[in-house]
Amino acid sequence: QVKLLQSGAALVKPGDSVKMSCKASGYTFTDYIIHWVKQSHGKSLEWIGYINPYSGGTNYNEKFKSKATLTVDKSSSTAYMEFSRLTSEDSAIYYCARRVIDWGQGVMVTVSS
Amino acid sequence: DIQMTQSPSFLSASVGDRVTINCKASQNINKYLNWYQQKLGEAPKLLIYNTNNLQTGIPSRFSGSGSGTDYTLTISSLQPEDVATYFCLQHSSRPFTFGSGTKLEIK
Repeated sequence: QVKLLQSGAALVKPGDSVKMSCKASGYTFTDYIIHWVKQSHGKSLEWIGYINPYSGGTNYNEKFKSKATLTVDKSSSTAYMEFSRLTSEDSAIYYCARRVIDWGQGVMVTVSS
Repeated sequence: DIQMTQSPSFLSASVGDRVTINCKASQNINKYLNWYQQKLGEAPKLLIYNTNNLQTGIPSRFSGSGSGTDYTLTISSLQPEDVATYFCLQHSSRPFTFGSGTKLEIK
């Protein structure tokens, strides 16, 4: 069945970057868009953007355009999101999702000095 | 951006009750509305896609309706395992936007 396995929790310092992964299995990786979503503690969800694994084409929420970079490695069926210039506001759980249908388990990112 | 106003924020109901949760979009989203259930410590789980289509494996007590700007998730007979937070998502236009969530508890 479809599985999206995300990388482990990250503790990072303010100003640093973090790169998280989302390894897909159970389907043809290049057939479906991968979305990324942010969930701040106890709060609602924000759509960050998506990447088309076939073409590498991306679409970002303007709010995250200067913050997030989405990439894929087709050879390993893995999508990546890099979040840069981190602040405390970026502490959250980040999810990848195939077509906003199937979701990974989430990555908790904590930004703290 | 399309704003999604979800209500109520909190809902307490008894087992067996009929429960409704609403989402109102700031403009017509042409039925491109999904509903998700999120249990504590878990990822969101798709319940309903495109307003009224039940995702595979989801119990038939869940249903969705609506059009234009107004959408509703209904649980026909609340079960203890339905305790969760429910979110709507519009995917009519980018950026996709979520409702603020409804926390559902059992009385």
